[in-house]
Amino acid sequence: AQSVAQPEDQVNVAEGNPLTVKCTYSVSGNPYLFWYVQYPNRGLQFLLKYITGDNLVKGSYGFEAEFNKSQTSFHLKKPSALVSDSALYFCAVRRYSSASKIIFGSGTRLSIRP
Amino acid sequence: EAGVAQSPRYKIIEKRQSVAFWCNPISGHATLYWYQQILGQGPKLLIQFQNNGVVDDSQLPKDRFSAERLKGVDSTLKIQPAKLEDSAVYLCASSLTGQGVGDAEAFFGQGTRLTVV
Repeated sequence: AQSVAQPEDQVNVAEGNPLTVKCTYSVSGNPYLFWYVQYPNRGLQFLLKYITGDNLVKGSYGFEAEFNKSQTSFHLKKPSALVSDSALYFCAVRRYSSASKIIFGSGTRLSIRP
Repeated sequence: EAGVAQSPRYKIIEKRQSVAFWCNPISGHATLYWYQQILGQGPKLLIQFQNNGVVDDSQLPKDRFSAERLKGVDSTLKIQPAKLEDSAVYLCASSLTGQGVGDAEAFFGQGTRLTVV
């Protein structure tokens, strides 16, 4: 069975500081991994994905994520946080196979203070 | 490119009434998903279609929820009768095929916020 854990309900960071939002996963076989962001009263917006290859993937709005197979983690990072990054972030996983379902974590609320 | 379209955006109904949500995926996307997102939680997959066939409906409460995707394009999700605990945002998403390396991600609509009173 697939599962995703986001251990922090909320992360608070000062503007300009680096940020990390944690994610660990469990899946049989190789994973596809994703990060999505959700702003109030909006749907989920795709940020980035890991499929294969380089463990550091870059996405929208200056975000990046690092895949670590041994630790089964896919943490989201940004070198310098902006107030506008404040939102709800979801990690998701699917099995590396055709038509597999996408399973989401419970979400982490990121709050950036000026 | 147009995104995933959903309607209505908001719906308020009384318990035991019925309700239907509509989704139009991105053109050419073969895979369509319906998710339920309860306030404070992550999205939960209700049903996944590949073209007009069901791939996964293991978490769909089939005694009250139904979904169809006629002609492999638009989809409708129905609840009948609704319960208070069905209050949530219902998200529709689509992806190309889910089979290729480059098209694994899903794109989401803005959702329908359902309130059951």
